[in-house]
Amino acid sequence: DGGITQSPKYLFRKEGQNVTLSCEQNLNHDAMYWYRQDPGQGLRLIYYSQIVNDFQKGDIAEGYSVSREKKESFPLTVTSAQKNPTAFYLCASRGSGDEAFFGQGTRLTVV
Amino acid sequence: GQNIDQPTEMTATEGAIVQINCTYQTSGFNGLFWYQQHAGEAPTFLSYNVLDGLEEKGRFSSFLSRSKGYSYLLLKELQMKDSASYLCAVRTYSNYQLIWGAGTKLIIKP
Repeated sequence: DGGITQSPKYLFRKEGQNVTLSCEQNLNHDAMYWYRQDPGQGLRLIYYSQIVNDFQKGDIAEGYSVSREKKESFPLTVTSAQKNPTAFYLCASRGSGDEAFFGQGTRLTVV
Repeated sequence: GQNIDQPTEMTATEGAIVQINCTYQTSGFNGLFWYQQHAGEAPTFLSYNVLDGLEEKGRFSSFLSRSKGYSYLLLKELQMKDSASYLCAVRTYSNYQLIWGAGTKLIIKP
């Protein structure tokens, strides 16, 4: 089945550590996005990529990094520079249509 | 600034009808989306409006008035499984970015 897969579902990070969240899609979509979701707030865009080997900062890119070496993959690294990383992270992709498809999300907790 | 407002929480009864409102102020408008999100899960697409009027899809309908910066999602014949958050998002002239509301948590009671 075609879809978008995030892993892991739950992730625990010690302070000062970098962690990488995986996002893979087999929908042949060009555009991919990373959002952060916090209670009581709308989704906020971290980074997006419209094509392989290209990506752009979103509204809250500080403390995060991404790569887009393959069309199918758009991993997000949460670095130690991100001071408040505990959140629900959502990856999405979009093809030629209007609808964006979301992965199941990764809940990151700093311990 | 850019802003999307939705009620934080609504309660309705199984079998009834509920209307969830969304008002927006954005720099440009290129479509409005409604998504459903169950707790801890991925948002799933419900509807897309770019022109004024009502779009109907089974039990769900979505309305848009661009002049008023207003949309609503109408859910009929409510079922317990409709308990979820409903997210409103506006696409601006940049085709790659959506501005999201905080979502409306809908609680369905028997």
